[in-house]
Amino acid sequence: AQSVTQLGSHVSVSEGALVLLRCNYSSSVPPYLFWYVQYPNQGLQLLLKYTSAATLVKGINGFEAEFKKSETSFHLTKPSAHMSDAAEYFCAVSDRTGTASKLTFGTGTRLQVTL
Amino acid sequence: SQTIHQWPATLVQPVGSPLSLECTVEGTSNPNLYWYRQAAGRGLQLLFYSVGIGQISSEVPQNLSASRPQDRQFILSSKKLLLSDSGFYLCACRGKGTGSYEQYFGPGTRLTVT
Repeated sequence: AQSVTQLGSHVSVSEGALVLLRCNYSSSVPPYLFWYVQYPNQGLQLLLKYTSAATLVKGINGFEAEFKKSETSFHLTKPSAHMSDAAEYFCAVSDRTGTASKLTFGTGTRLQVTL
Repeated sequence: SQTIHQWPATLVQPVGSPLSLECTVEGTSNPNLYWYRQAAGRGLQLLFYSVGIGQISSEVPQNLSASRPQDRQFILSSKKLLLSDSGFYLCACRGKGTGSYEQYFGPGTRLTVT
């Protein structure tokens, strides 16, 4: 079974500061991992994905994440926060067994960006 | 690329009334389809998924049901709504054969049961 833990339900950073959102996973098979962003009253948008190729994955809006097998982590980073980054972020791991292809999501981290 | 449509966008229904939420997908054939619920301040809960027409799997026993009458149509229903059915309902799809397992989400339906 797969699971994802997101440390910190709320993170606040100043505009221009580094963004670091933490995600640790548990998986019985080599994982596929994802980060999604959700703006208020909208659906989830895929930011980036790790599918066992390069361990450093670049996504949209300047975000990137690094897969570290030894630490079972897939933390999301952005060098310089922008006000428009304020949203909720979800980490997810894929069930690659069977035909269902289910995703297991973390509980989310709300990012606040202050002036 | 696939596009997911959901309607209605918002809905206010009294307790005990029926429910029908619709999701349609464009840009892919024979996708996997999913219904999620997001309660206020909480994460996503997978309610149902479907790997093909007429094939529905339920993840959580509850007051809701799902149907897939056409390849790219997924419907969430209830005969009698409960207060606890309030939430933000998201439809998602995954194209088969993509090899990477990501899901794409619709814009969601905000349901308030009063």
